[in-house]
Amino acid sequence: NAGVTQTPKFRILKIGQSMTLQCAQDMNHNYMYWYRQDPGMGLKLIYYSVGAGITDKGEVPNGYNVSRSTTEDFPLRLELAAPSQTSVYFCASSYSFLAGGNNEQFFGPGTRLTVL
Amino acid sequence: EDKVVQSPLSLVVHEGDTVTLNCSYEVTNFRSLLWYKQEKKAPTFLFMLTSSGIEKKSGRLSSILDKKELFSILNITATQTGDSAVYLCAGEIQGAQKLVFGQGTRLTINP
Repeated sequence: NAGVTQTPKFRILKIGQSMTLQCAQDMNHNYMYWYRQDPGMGLKLIYYSVGAGITDKGEVPNGYNVSRSTTEDFPLRLELAAPSQTSVYFCASSYSFLAGGNNEQFFGPGTRLTVL
Repeated sequence: EDKVVQSPLSLVVHEGDTVTLNCSYEVTNFRSLLWYKQEKKAPTFLFMLTSSGIEKKSGRLSSILDKKELFSILNITATQTGDSAVYLCAGEIQGAQKLVFGQGTRLTINP
């Protein structure tokens, strides 16, 4: 199993550009999450999904969009990039607690994004 | 507003020392408290605590949850330089299993 994979690893954007951060998992997890981590801080939830076709906002959704057309993939779209979106972005996935077993979140390696 | 607060924010100790990291939480519809270790990359899972007073152990690391006083501690005994990392705690919200993270404690172990 590759676990949770993210692409790209690094990206520099100019103000106003758009991009999509890719996330995929091969563990058949229902739940997927996008977080951002600013320097010296914990992780803040941007968007999450409890299954294909279902997404919802987290703590800091402004400036981002998501879609979940398959169980495996959960891309994060940045429209009109701003310097405040400079951060490290982590994707994570987990089983549903109701499915039984441990439901901790597994994290991808992260995407370091700089907006200049 | 859901909130998780960790202390101290930074800690520097010598190899072999024992450390205690603190985490207090105010999370509505709380289900569990999780600890993660973050070195240079993604957080890696350490513990999930759902019941009060039951210690979880993994080698030199242990953790316990107090659901009455709304806090958890992470203990590391006989620290090694490889324990240097940021330790994150997070409160899990029931339903969508969303996590609310604290700011993290940066632990540095000097040889």
